[in-house]
Parts: sequence; structure tokens; C-alpha cells
Amino acid sequence: EAGVTQFPSHSVIEKGQTVTLRCDPISGHDNLYWYRRVMGKEIKFLLHFVKESKQDESGMPNNRFLAERTGGTYSTLKVQPAELEDSGVYFCASSRVNTGELFFGEGSRLTVL
Amino acid sequence: DQQVKQNSPSLSVQEGRISILNCDYTNSMFDYFLWYKKYPAEGPTFLISISSIKDKNEDGRFTVFLNKSAKHLSLHIVPSQPGDSAVYFCAASRAGGGADGLTFGKGTHLIIQP
Repeated sequence: EAGVTQFPSHSVIEKGQTVTLRCDPISGHDNLYWYRRVMGKEIKFLLHFVKESKQDESGMPNNRFLAERTGGTYSTLKVQPAELEDSGVYFCASSRVNTGELFFGEGSRLTVL
Repeated sequence: DQQVKQNSPSLSVQEGRISILNCDYTNSMFDYFLWYKKYPAEGPTFLISISSIKDKNEDGRFTVFLNKSAKHLSLHIVPSQPGDSAVYFCAASRAGGGADGLTFGKGTHLIIQP
């Protein structure tokens, strides 16, 4: 069974540009989460999808961040326009049920210059 | 304001000895606690969890202890092995996972010395 896959693994962009991160959850997992880890800090919750619906997006930093999960399969997280403080590793995770035991992807490292 | 705190950024333990990683939390609404392990360039991997109705959960070499009155939990690894070298994250949630996601600590880098 394939794990959670994320693309790209690393993206370097300039301030003001747009980046779209993609996450493919484990097949059959209705719950999909985005988390972010800024250098040396804690992993912070961004949002949670159940199928295609946003269950909770209380962790989204601001309206420059837009997450979608059309069709309830893969998800994208777009940052537009990117700022320096958006640099970090963006983790996607999925689970069959919402118990907290999540399967994480390897993360997408975003560097904003 | 950090609700889950791991006050030791790193911990060095000799192979074969016990590793004890600590975690404190402030939010009394948390009722489910997890430990994740992370290797470099990989995502966190679920290790072990404990519900607030228990004070201990054991899985092989890994045991998690929960002291609700002190709002403290710890992860014991015994005996420690070289492959245990990784960053360990403590995480907490409300209502068994809940809609508000997991709250993580900053992590403790465990180094197992041969």
C-alpha cells in the first residue's frame, strides 16, 4: 500500500510568487490534514478535510493560503503571494478515522527568498 | 502560547540504557496523547498513544506514562537502540483526535550513543 505522497519535495521561490503543494493521501483515507513546521519550531496544524469538505481550517495563517480537495482524493495547498515567513516544511497526513494516529508524508520544504 | 512543551531539545543516551523523554501540557481539555518519531527528511511516524483514562500504555520497548494531575507525560524506551536516534514529538488532542487537529511540541532529538 502506497503511503502519503507529497510534491514537490522542495520548492524555492521568491517573495511574491505563488506555489502549489500537492498531497496524495493513502487510498481510502477520508481524513486529510495539512501541518507546517517552521524551522526548529513545533509542527502546527493548518487544516483538516473529511473527504472534500473542510472540517476545520482554524490553523490557516491568513487568506494567502488556500487549500482544496476536489473530489475527496488529493489535496492542494496554494500560497499566493508567498512571504518570507511562509518558509518551512509542509506536511500532509491522512487517516481512515479521526483518532489522531496519522500517516504523514515526507513533507514539502518551501523556501521563500 | 505553547500548549505542549518539550523542554529538552536534545537527549543523549547510551545504547542499552533507558531513554526517558518528557512532555508537559497546559490545556486541561486534552484527553488523548501521542508520540511521533521523525527521521531526517521523513515525515513523523506514529509511535504510541495513551488516552486520559489510562496512566500507562506499553508496546514492546516503548511505554508511555501519563500523570494527569501534573499534566505530564513521558515516553520510556528500554533498552535503547541505535535506530531509536530520531526526533520525538509529543502531541495532544481533544476528544480522541477531534476536529481541531493535533497540537505538537517542538520535539526532542534523541541520540543513542554506541
